[in-house]
Amino acid sequence: DGGITQSPKYLFRKEGQNVTLSCEQNLNHDAMYWYRQDPGQGLRLIYYSQIVNDFQKGDIAEGYSVSREKKESFPLTVTSAQKNPTAFYLCASSIAGTYGYTFGSGTRLTVV
Amino acid sequence: AQSVTQLGSHVSVSEGALVLLRCNYSSSVPPYLFWYVQYPNQGLQLLLKYTTGATLVKGINGFEAEFKKSETSFHLTKPSAHMSDAAEYFCAVSDRRGAQKLVFGQGTRLTINP
Repeated sequence: DGGITQSPKYLFRKEGQNVTLSCEQNLNHDAMYWYRQDPGQGLRLIYYSQIVNDFQKGDIAEGYSVSREKKESFPLTVTSAQKNPTAFYLCASSIAGTYGYTFGSGTRLTVV
Repeated sequence: AQSVTQLGSHVSVSEGALVLLRCNYSSSVPPYLFWYVQYPNQGLQLLLKYTTGATLVKGINGFEAEFKKSETSFHLTKPSAHMSDAAEYFCAVSDRRGAQKLVFGQGTRLTINP
């Protein structure tokens, strides 16, 4: 079945370390997105990509980086420059020209 | 810039009662509007969406929402709550230009009392 796979589901890292969250989709969707979710703040857009080898910053891109080398994959790196990285991270994808996302099941990152 | 306000971070209703979750939006152009549901430690699932046409939109699990342009609202309703409806609900807006970015509200946690 088609869908979006985020791995791992839970991730623990020490402060000051970079960490990469995986997002893979087999839906043949063109666009992919990364959101951060914190209690009471809804979802905030980190980065998005509408085509391979191109991506744009969202509202809270500082301290994060992404790549889009393949249509199926959109990994997110949380760098040591991100001041408060502990959060629930959600990846989503959509078909170009349509509206409404398909979401992955999320990765909960805890930095200690 | 677009924005979404969900009135009430926590709503509690009895099983069998009406569910009403409120959403107001701000957009300079006619928006696309969405409701998503999230169960604990999971991703979001689309409940329903309004793009064009009929302003009363029916979704999954018996939910519906009505787009009211004059009130800039898109409230979510369900006539009779079920225990399985307990979850967090997010309203989102997207404009019709450029990238298909969604702007989400803060979320409303729905609790169902037996």
